[in-house]
Amino acid sequence: NAGVMQNPRHLVRRRGQEARLRCSPMKGHSHVYWYRQLPEEGLKFMVYLQKENIIDESGMPKERFSAEFPKEGPSILRIQQVVRGDSAAYFCASSPGGHYGYTFGSGTRLTVV
Amino acid sequence: DQQVKQNSPSLSVQEGRISILNCDYTNSMFDYFLWYKKYPAEGPTFLISISSIKDKNEDGRFTVFLNKSAKHLSLHIVPSQPGDSAVYFCAASARGANNLFFGTGTRLTVIP
Repeated sequence: NAGVMQNPRHLVRRRGQEARLRCSPMKGHSHVYWYRQLPEEGLKFMVYLQKENIIDESGMPKERFSAEFPKEGPSILRIQQVVRGDSAAYFCASSPGGHYGYTFGSGTRLTVV
Repeated sequence: DQQVKQNSPSLSVQEGRISILNCDYTNSMFDYFLWYKKYPAEGPTFLISISSIKDKNEDGRFTVFLNKSAKHLSLHIVPSQPGDSAVYFCAASARGANNLFFGTGTRLTVIP
């Protein structure tokens, strides 16, 4: 009964490269949420997805960021042309429905050098 | 705009004593509040929650109090244990919303 699996745990990218963060929700969970935690800050909502659909992306930066949750496979958060300010911990959470039963993954720590 | 605020970045408490962590919010539409606990290099773990129709919820050593008129909630841990040392995040949601709003966290250290 694995929890929410995120990989990689740590990711180092040079400025201008692409970062791909993966999240496999808990078994039976079809709702996925991505949050970002900048240093010394709380978690901030980015995007909410269900299988093959983006439900709410109001927290996503308008450029360079995209997310998907395909019918098969993990949810992917993609950051193109990374900049230093993208360095943060990215957390994925899943739930069977709604956000009251969130389970978070251990996060991916992205460092842009 | 920080809609959920935790004004104490850190708190130290002796083992066995009470820990009180505070949280304030500004959005009157929030109707559900949660506390998460986070260890280094791990994701937040759900601890306890409270609906706006209640003013208190208790689960073992953990009690959350909600004061709607003051837009304030607090988490009490009694008795505090060294294993409680972690960062505690307060979070809130509004009816129909898809996301949680988090505070910046309070680092609790329980001294043996």
